[in-house]
Amino acid sequence: QSALTQPASVSGSPGQSITISCTGTSSDVGGYNYVTWYQQLPGKAPKLLIYEVSNRPSGVTNRFSGSKSGNTASLTISGLQAEDEADYYCNSYTSSHSWVFGGGTKLTVL
Amino acid sequence: QVQLVQSGSELRKPGASVKVSCKASGYIFTTYSMNWVRQAPGQGLEWMGWIDTNTGNPTYGQGFTGRFVFSLDTSVSTAYLQISSLKAEDTAVYYCAMSSGYLFDQWGQGTLVIVSS
Repeated sequence: QSALTQPASVSGSPGQSITISCTGTSSDVGGYNYVTWYQQLPGKAPKLLIYEVSNRPSGVTNRFSGSKSGNTASLTISGLQAEDEADYYCNSYTSSHSWVFGGGTKLTVL
Repeated sequence: QVQLVQSGSELRKPGASVKVSCKASGYIFTTYSMNWVRQAPGQGLEWMGWIDTNTGNPTYGQGFTGRFVFSLDTSVSTAYLQISSLKAEDTAVYYCAMSSGYLFDQWGQGTLVIVSS
């Protein structure tokens, strides 16, 4: 199972919006609404941000939103803040009854 | 509150074995499955597999068969990852993560395993 494709890095200024893409295939992202996004702050464990494409767990700010079109899922962060600087990973359930992560995207807040 | 607490860092020589523990609290252990995720230094997350905490049945991801073993001790709400015949490329942080469905709800803090002679 190949890793999902994410941009290695994105950047934005405080207050701006950015979008991180996550491209897979019809056997994973495109085939299921089980796309999840995780935020990993430096030196910390990943934290659940978005599940089932667009749902936020309680406690996650509505500045984070998710969507999907075909084989590509997206995470949008609006109103960028310095504390959003982290690595972001997408994840999808697959037709092999397994899970696959994206390669990760490093977000820099300028 | 739900918490997963993992064992501390380990340093092993090539060829040795290591066993990492993940103790759960704040929920009924056998209700949710437990996954294992690897993160090599400076690299991304890699799903290793999962274990059904109700039946003890493990499922290993691609590339994690043979030297990797998932196990449980439900009496102490703990999951284990054992890696045998360690290689330098096994150097990584290993995370446990509980799963209530198709997501990893809660993660342990991670255990750093260093394999070096």
